[in-house]
Amino acid sequence: TQLLEQSPQFLSIQEGENLTVYCNSSSVFSSLQWYRQEPGEGPVLLVTVVTGGEVKKLKRLTFQFGDARKDSSLHITAAQPGDTGLYLCAGAATPGNTPLVFGKGTRLSVIA
Amino acid sequence: KAGVTQTPRYLIKTRGQQVTLSCSPISGHRSVSWYQQTPGQGLQFLFEYFSETQRNKGNFPGRFSGRQFSNSRSEMNVSTLELGDSALYLCASSAGLASYEQYFGPGTRLTVT
Repeated sequence: TQLLEQSPQFLSIQEGENLTVYCNSSSVFSSLQWYRQEPGEGPVLLVTVVTGGEVKKLKRLTFQFGDARKDSSLHITAAQPGDTGLYLCAGAATPGNTPLVFGKGTRLSVIA
Repeated sequence: KAGVTQTPRYLIKTRGQQVTLSCSPISGHRSVSWYQQTPGQGLQFLFEYFSETQRNKGNFPGRFSGRQFSNSRSEMNVSTLELGDSALYLCASSAGLASYEQYFGPGTRLTVT
């Protein structure tokens, strides 16, 4: 069974601070996605990374896919209260064959 | 494009009853997946449908079933509800077999008493 471990589970920081959350596995994934979920809503796709070593930036968010395609990180610069939410990573093991594997998420709280 | 819609948004049922949840995917999307989300277990995959055929199934008992219609709308059914079935049920659609990008609906919050 493929698993994605996310750390930390919970993170509470002050507005303006930087943070990094991690998504790790012992398995190789063909692609990896990050989602953000706000209370009472479904997850919203933020980014998909597909190439080992790939770095993608989305405003203050930087996503990196590990060289071996087993791990990923999300870095937020100058966090804002609007960044508060549950961040989920999800991996695709084999294209078109198996469902996504989701991590349990990192719950981020940014305090003004 | 309109997003994924799920109905109802909230539901309260009693143990032993059954429930049917509905999902309308994004127009043009042919794949619909269902997930159960609980605080302890996170997002767990229930099943995926593509062109009216179940393509994948998660590790849930047979009380959980689903189907997809020719217009790609999907329903899931849970029979003989148990207290542990209380959860947020999320539906997600994607464009096709090779696309893993999931677009989620707002979910149905099911409470079993």
